[in-house]
Amino acid sequence: SQTIHQWPATLVQPVGSPLSLECTVEGTSNPNLYWYRQAAGRGLQLLFYSVGIGQISSEVPQNLSASRPQDRQFILSSKKLLLSDSGFYLCAWSSGDRDQPQHFGDGTRLSIL
Amino acid sequence: GQQLNQSPQSMFIQEGEDVSMNCTSSSIFNTWLWYKQEPGEGPVLLIALYKAGELTSNGRLTAQFGITRKDSFLNISASIPSDVGIYFCAILISGNTPLVFGKGTRLSVIA
Repeated sequence: SQTIHQWPATLVQPVGSPLSLECTVEGTSNPNLYWYRQAAGRGLQLLFYSVGIGQISSEVPQNLSASRPQDRQFILSSKKLLLSDSGFYLCAWSSGDRDQPQHFGDGTRLSIL
Repeated sequence: GQQLNQSPQSMFIQEGEDVSMNCTSSSIFNTWLWYKQEPGEGPVLLIALYKAGELTSNGRLTAQFGITRKDSFLNISASIPSDVGIYFCAILISGNTPLVFGKGTRLSVIA
C-alpha cells in the first residue's frame, strides 16, 4: 500500500532563516505531488504541484519554492522566512490516473518567531 | 478558477444529532470528494463520488452526488464527539490537475 511521510512534524524558525520541508511517498511510482498551506482554522491553499521529476507548477507568488529531485520526493524551501510564512503545511499525492483523489500527509506546523 | 461554495461554515451540535452539509459549484463535474481533517492532522478521504445521483455510505456518513452534477451533500447520523473536525468537499477537474477544495465546514459536537 502507498504511504506518505512528511517531516518534521513541527518546526520553530526565526524570521530570515531558511526552510526545508521534505515529503516522500512510498508504494507508488510517478505520483502527482502537492504542497498546501493552511492558516489556523482556515481552508487549504495550494502552493505547488508536480506531475513529474523537475516539473513544478506554482499557484501563488510567494516567498517559497518547491523542488522534485526524485520521483517520490517533494521539497518545500525558502531562503528567508517571513512571519507570514507561519502555518500548517501539508503534502499530498495522487495517482496520475483519471479521477483519483489526493491523499495527505500528517502535516508540518511551522511557527516563525 | 473554479470555486466551490461550502456551507455551513461552522456547526455546533449536540451529541446524537444528525448533521448535514453541502457544496455547490457553478459548473458540472464528474467527481466529488469529501475529506475530514482532525485537529493537527492532514485531511483524510471519507467518500468519493463518481456518478450523478450516486449515494454512498461509510458507516454513519452518507454522501450524495447531486443529479445536476453541480452539488454534493454529506450527512452524518447520530453524531459522536470524535466527529469533531473540519469537513472539506472537493472536485476533480481532470486527472493531472489539483483538486479544488471548498473552504470547509467546522463541526463541533457538544457532549
